[in-house]
Amino acid sequence: ILNVEQSPQSLHVQEGDSTNFTCSFPSSNFYALHWYRWETAKSPEALFVMTLNGDEKKKGRISATLNTKEGYSYLYIKGSQPEDSATYLCAFRDYNNNDMRFGAGTRLTVKP
Amino acid sequence: DTGVSQDPRHKITKRGQNVTFRCDPISEHNRLYWYRQTLGQGPEFLTYFQNEAQLEKSRLLSDRFSAERPKGSFSTLEIQRTEQGDSAMYLCASSLGGRSGANVLTFGAGSRLTVL
Repeated sequence: ILNVEQSPQSLHVQEGDSTNFTCSFPSSNFYALHWYRWETAKSPEALFVMTLNGDEKKKGRISATLNTKEGYSYLYIKGSQPEDSATYLCAFRDYNNNDMRFGAGTRLTVKP
Repeated sequence: DTGVSQDPRHKITKRGQNVTFRCDPISEHNRLYWYRQTLGQGPEFLTYFQNEAQLEKSRLLSDRFSAERPKGSFSTLEIQRTEQGDSAMYLCASSLGGRSGANVLTFGAGSRLTVL
């Protein structure tokens, strides 16, 4: 059984603060790591797909890094805005399986 | 194509009844996934299809759960003899096939089940 762990479970920040959270995954048989954003009453939407050790991805104020050797990925949000409030999910796929295993998510609340 | 569609969006049923959910994936996607999400948890993998073949099924899934994708297009998830513990959001997602880890999942809006 693959364990994907995310921390913290929830986070409350003020508008303008920068924040980051962690996704930990098994470091063996790594194939891909995905980040999704899930806003209330909407479907999860893909943010990043990362496949190579050392990958860094950026989309606007959000960026992510990947370390497959030690089994973690960080998601950073610079200058948080209230519209960033959502649950951020990471999902791991190993080389031997076709399914994506999700972490429990980090619930981010940005207060104006 | 309007994305991944799920029906119904909400279902309230009494314990012991059978329920069926339908998922219509993006037409060119040959992979289809079912997940279950309960409060405070991330999506939990249930099963996965490549075209019409069910290739993986979670060991956590009891034999009351069955899924089909008869023509490799839409899929159904049936829960027989529902229990209160089955109350959850049932999410369907689809993706392109192949070995690329870059094939992101496109999710439907989910079907929320409440078992009384």
